[in-house]
Amino acid sequence: IQLTQSPSSLSASVGDRVTITCRASQGISSYLAWLQQKPGKAPKLLIYAASTLQSGVPSRFSGSGSGTDFTLTISSLQPEDFATYYCQQLNSYPLTFGGGTKVEIK
Amino acid sequence: EVQLLESGGGLVQPGGSLRLSCAASGFIFNNYAMSWVRQAPGKGLEWVSLISGSGGETYYADSVKGRFTISRDNSKNTLLLQMNSLRADDTAVYFCAKWGVAAGSFRFFDYWGQGTLVTVSS
Repeated sequence: IQLTQSPSSLSASVGDRVTITCRASQGISSYLAWLQQKPGKAPKLLIYAASTLQSGVPSRFSGSGSGTDFTLTISSLQPEDFATYYCQQLNSYPLTFGGGTKVEIK
Repeated sequence: EVQLLESGGGLVQPGGSLRLSCAASGFIFNNYAMSWVRQAPGKGLEWVSLISGSGGETYYADSVKGRFTISRDNSKNTLLLQMNSLRADDTAVYFCAKWGVAAGSFRFFDYWGQGTLVTVSS
């Protein structure tokens, strides 16, 4: 299953609302996770089951979608949110990741 | 506190072998599947392999099938990855990750190690 993320990069300002999309090449129900990665660091789980916030993750992050189309939204971008975001499907093997979306400071 | 600590990375020649380890603590190791994920320099994440909690089920990416073997030693809380016939495109940081499962059978990787760098070059 291929995951296509868009955009591949974006520039935004602190306080902006940011939306990242992830499209699966076939239906994956809600078996989708979103991860955040900062340079030189391990990925961090933000959301699983398409819309369930992982414990400790700020509520400004939210996820939606099912089937083939998914969205990660950051309601008000904070300085610590500048990072690369990946979607991941866990519906079937081989597990796959999207190509990533780099969120940069405008 | 869950901790995952990878080791065993380094420089290896094409065609060579390397064994990675991931020492786990802070959770009941044999209750959880574990996985390896890699990231080539400047590139995105690529899932490599997964092993069930008992070790009885294993899964591999096509890119490593037949060359890499995942295993675990539950008595030592350690995840392993034996990598043979290494190629230049295996160069990456290799992360181990813990598999989590929530209600509804929803799964995810909830904890990650910091990674170990494998460089395949002559």
